[in-house]
Amino acid sequence: GNSVTQMEGPVTLSEEAFLTINCTYTATGYPSLFWYVQYPGEGLQLLLKATKADDKGSNKGFEATYRKETTSFHLEKGSVQVSDSAVYFCALSARISGSRLTFGEGTQLTVNP
Amino acid sequence: GAVVSQHPSRVICKSGTSVKIECRSLDFQATTMFWYRQFPKKSLMLMATSNEGSKATYEQGVEKDKFLINHASLTLSTLTVTSAHPEDSSFYICSARDRGATDTQYFGPGTRLTVL
Repeated sequence: GNSVTQMEGPVTLSEEAFLTINCTYTATGYPSLFWYVQYPGEGLQLLLKATKADDKGSNKGFEATYRKETTSFHLEKGSVQVSDSAVYFCALSARISGSRLTFGEGTQLTVNP
Repeated sequence: GAVVSQHPSRVICKSGTSVKIECRSLDFQATTMFWYRQFPKKSLMLMATSNEGSKATYEQGVEKDKFLINHASLTLSTLTVTSAHPEDSSFYICSARDRGATDTQYFGPGTRLTVL
């Protein structure tokens, strides 16, 4: 079956530090990959996505590259801000499973000023 | 674009009563909507998949008679928690899949249900 494994949190960084949150996946076929962000007390917001190998998704300074050879989709940001503090979820969607989302466990990020 | 709303955002009810939560896609048509439950500091658990005009598909272990789902139109799905009990207290989140982009789900802001 499909599965997503995320780097365990929590992650605590100082403002302007470099961020990497690792995500690897197992899936049948060629899934689409996503990063969602959840701020306290809110639902999930789509941060970025990639639909095929070597695609790079990017948004708000975050980026992730779909690496088929390593089955990874690591999230990176060059300089984090306090406002980036949230929980980040890696997810995949595969047509063979009805395009249902399979989520990782989430990684809590706290950025201190 | 791609905005999904949920109502109410927060509800407190007495044990034994029923609560209805609405999920609307505001600027796109959603042939499929999903209902999730999230426990504190945990990931999302898919409860059911709701297709417009047909019966919902429930995940294993989710009681369909307790969590009634109706998807009456391309922009509205409802989740009714019947005879609610304190263990049903949770954060319920819906998502909608854009008819034109079948691999992307857009999420609502969630509903915090507290059953006393």
